[in-house]
Amino acid sequence: DTAVSQTPKYLVTQMGNDKSIKCEQNLGHDTMYWYKQDSKKFLKIMFSYNNKELIINETVPNRFSPKSPDKAHLNLHINSLELGDSAVYFCASSQDPGQITYGYTFGSGTRLTVV
Amino acid sequence: QKEVEQNSGPLSVPEGAIASLNCTYSDRGSQSFFWYRQYSGKSPELIMFIYSNGDKEDGRFTAQLNKASQYVSLLIRDSQPSDSATYLCAVNSGGGNKLTFGTGTQLKVEL
Repeated sequence: DTAVSQTPKYLVTQMGNDKSIKCEQNLGHDTMYWYKQDSKKFLKIMFSYNNKELIINETVPNRFSPKSPDKAHLNLHINSLELGDSAVYFCASSQDPGQITYGYTFGSGTRLTVV
Repeated sequence: QKEVEQNSGPLSVPEGAIASLNCTYSDRGSQSFFWYRQYSGKSPELIMFIYSNGDKEDGRFTAQLNKASQYVSLLIRDSQPSDSATYLCAVNSGGGNKLTFGTGTQLKVEL
């Protein structure tokens, strides 16, 4: 059983389209995250939800909208895709948002290519 | 100044040698520190975490933390070709509710 699963694994789409990425965790964690990893491997946080509540919203274009229907699921919707959105998007989860003591468990990533 | 800094490498070591990976961080309030390994095309996987000053050993890996110098390192003893990967340093920051990552150090273990 995959602990943190993301779909799709690969996504190729044209500029201007709207797309969604889904994430589910079966670890019983309360907190989930979206990170973006660029071509230089830099992982940058985008959003975090704790038990369905948005707790981190970094400086991200408002074309990106996260949604957490329950604490086991976190989705990312991207409107009007741009070339610069091409990256690998990782979902992650952790036991505790207040003081992260055990690190994150990452999903396998979604490689988004905008053409 | 970046919040978490690592030398991007590549760091090349011969098989069987000790690989030493370094990381500095800017937030003095950081409480917990992590090392992740990421193979090409894969997701990061946690290999070590450390909270207290000093050394923490787990098999061939040793994490070292010096909060006064805001420095954390990872030593890999008896390096193997399978250790070739990018190693990401991550620091608990922003009031504790997120991990901030460095850009990673690429390690190459040569036969």
